[in-house]
Amino acid sequence: GENVEQHPSTLSVQEGDSAVIKCTYSDSASNYFPWYKQELGKRPQLIIDIRSNVGEKKDQRIAVTLNKTAKHFSLHITETQPEDSAVYFCAGHNTDKLIFGTGTRLQVFP
Amino acid sequence: ETGVTQSPTHLIKTRGQQVTLRCSSQSGHNTVSWYQQALGQGPQFIFQYYREEENGRGNFPPRFSGLQFPNYSSELNVNALELDDSALYLCASSASPLPSTDTQYFGPGTRLTVL
Repeated sequence: GENVEQHPSTLSVQEGDSAVIKCTYSDSASNYFPWYKQELGKRPQLIIDIRSNVGEKKDQRIAVTLNKTAKHFSLHITETQPEDSAVYFCAGHNTDKLIFGTGTRLQVFP
Repeated sequence: ETGVTQSPTHLIKTRGQQVTLRCSSQSGHNTVSWYQQALGQGPQFIFQYYREEENGRGNFPPRFSGLQFPNYSSELNVNALELDDSALYLCASSASPLPSTDTQYFGPGTRLTVL
């Protein structure tokens, strides 16, 4: 079955800097990779996703890249702001279920 | 915010007891997936319900069971509670059972504490 690994577990950046979170997956049949943001005490919220027919997707300050050959995908946040501080989860899928990574705690310092 | 709601918000039980958690799906959605999120971990898939039938199950014992009703709301039942069952339980609503086709929208979760 699918296994998703996520790095780093914690990431601290200065406001305005960029942040990159990386994930690898094991199932070459996976074709959908969402990213969720979870603020303390709140629900996970989808911030961006990518399907395997594209290599990159961008939404304002957030972008995701996918390398199917290497089986890894990354989240890029540019011009970070304090409100970007949260735990970010990548996910792959196995038919009907999402398989989540272990999360990255991002702290953005003013 | 999504239209997915869960109740109760918090719950405290003791070992051996039984618990029922509830989830109301977003309007127009026929699929509910349940996840367990232990502290500091990513959500783990428990099972999924699609049109009132179980449609996939993760690596959880049979004491975790569920239901889906004709209005597509859902219940998660856990029998013989153990300390390790303490976690945030999340449900996710979607328009189809395939996450690659339709986004899963999460509810706010139920925080279960087992003493």
